[in-house]
Amino acid sequence: DAKTTQPPSMDCAEGRAANLPCNHSTISGNEYVYWYRQIHSQGPQYIIHGLKNNETNEMASLIITEDRKSSTLILPHATLRDTAVYYCIVRVDISNFGNEKLTFGTGTRLTIIP
Amino acid sequence: ETGVTQTPRHLVMGMTNKKSLKCEQHLGHNAMYWYKQSAKKPLELMFVYNFKEQTENNSVPSRFSPECPNSSHLFLHLHTLQPEDSALYLCASSQDGGEPYGYTFGSGTRLTVV
Repeated sequence: DAKTTQPPSMDCAEGRAANLPCNHSTISGNEYVYWYRQIHSQGPQYIIHGLKNNETNEMASLIITEDRKSSTLILPHATLRDTAVYYCIVRVDISNFGNEKLTFGTGTRLTIIP
Repeated sequence: ETGVTQTPRHLVMGMTNKKSLKCEQHLGHNAMYWYKQSAKKPLELMFVYNFKEQTENNSVPSRFSPECPNSSHLFLHLHTLQPEDSALYLCASSQDGGEPYGYTFGSGTRLTVV
């Protein structure tokens, strides 16, 4: 069974904030939420991850709901180069439970419109 | 450049050929992975190596043979492939047991079997 559910596609105007949702209603207390993206014909690129608190880095912000059953990745000022497939993945904290492998779903294809 | 280098970037081979894909990581990671990405399908994990030892083989046909001579290099030897093996082959590395920052992927080898 899929651990996460994402919309298959989204559009966003260039310069606006892109908000990508992810549902992970069966997430366990020791599972992190990871986001990766894959630009056409390249390898996936790590964006951000979080456990409970909201996180921000130079690429994006991650908002996790208080019950941790869903999250939103925010690209604050989308550019054409942000057009990619975005993957939301839940994964056990490896420091406690060993190395759980990254399993990718089908993700959300985000298209930035000029 | 992500720190994970894959060669060649593109490969066309006949069904009777033998070829090898190479992956090299300069990140000091102790785990390396091969993923396969066929058209319009999610990434599929093929092999996992931790400290040069193969720890996972996800029911991959024997025409794919991995080799990990040291923790920085990973090969995928190919022989008697089928046209349906045409795909993007991605290598990744991670630090198992370290901070949960996820995987670093290479740019992949686009393989076409004719």
